[in-house]
Amino acid sequence: KAGVTQTPRYLIKTRGQQVTLSCSPISGHRSVSWYQQTPGQGLQFLFEYFSETQRNKGNFPGRFSGRQFSNSRSEMNVSTLELGDSALYLCASSQEARTEQYFGPGTRLTVT
Amino acid sequence: EDQVTQSPEALRLQEGESSSLNCSYTVSGLRGLFWYRQDPGKGPEFLFTLYSAGEEKEKERLKATLTKKESFLHITAPKPEDSATYLCAVQAYSGGGADGLTFGKGTHLIIQP
Repeated sequence: KAGVTQTPRYLIKTRGQQVTLSCSPISGHRSVSWYQQTPGQGLQFLFEYFSETQRNKGNFPGRFSGRQFSNSRSEMNVSTLELGDSALYLCASSQEARTEQYFGPGTRLTVT
Repeated sequence: EDQVTQSPEALRLQEGESSSLNCSYTVSGLRGLFWYRQDPGKGPEFLFTLYSAGEEKEKERLKATLTKKESFLHITAPKPEDSATYLCAVQAYSGGGADGLTFGKGTHLIIQP
């Protein structure tokens, strides 16, 4: 079974721009969560989607948003990029009623 | 607020030298405690889920245990390929379904040949 895939793998953007990252979950997984990983803060939860609905949200500003499609694929968007948004953005999927989350390889975002 | 503290931050062992990594946690209502392994430039790889105090799980040279306040990841006779950052995370119960995972900062483990 194929794992979680994320595109693009690397991205360089300029301050003030916006960016969209994509995640395809493991086949059959309907829950998709997004995390931000930085050297200083570690892994932090952004939000979780299930059946196209956001169920939970972490403590991030409204510039961070997401959505999920009917095929469970998910996108996250960051508007008005700041230098501090430079990070590895990780997507994880899980089966309904199961707790373990499986992570993709991440998208490395650099904001200059 | 859920919190996870991992110790030590870094650990260097000789090949075959067994040791334990610690994960202390506070959570409002534990749904699960998770161990992941992360290699440089990659996403975390799932290792174990523990649900209740007293539970233990094993996989090759790794064994995870859980008490009401902490979890240990025991590494027996490690090999150089066990070198990685080991992450601990907790998930709390939520009325809206699965809460996001709260991660510790990780233990960077190096196994020297």
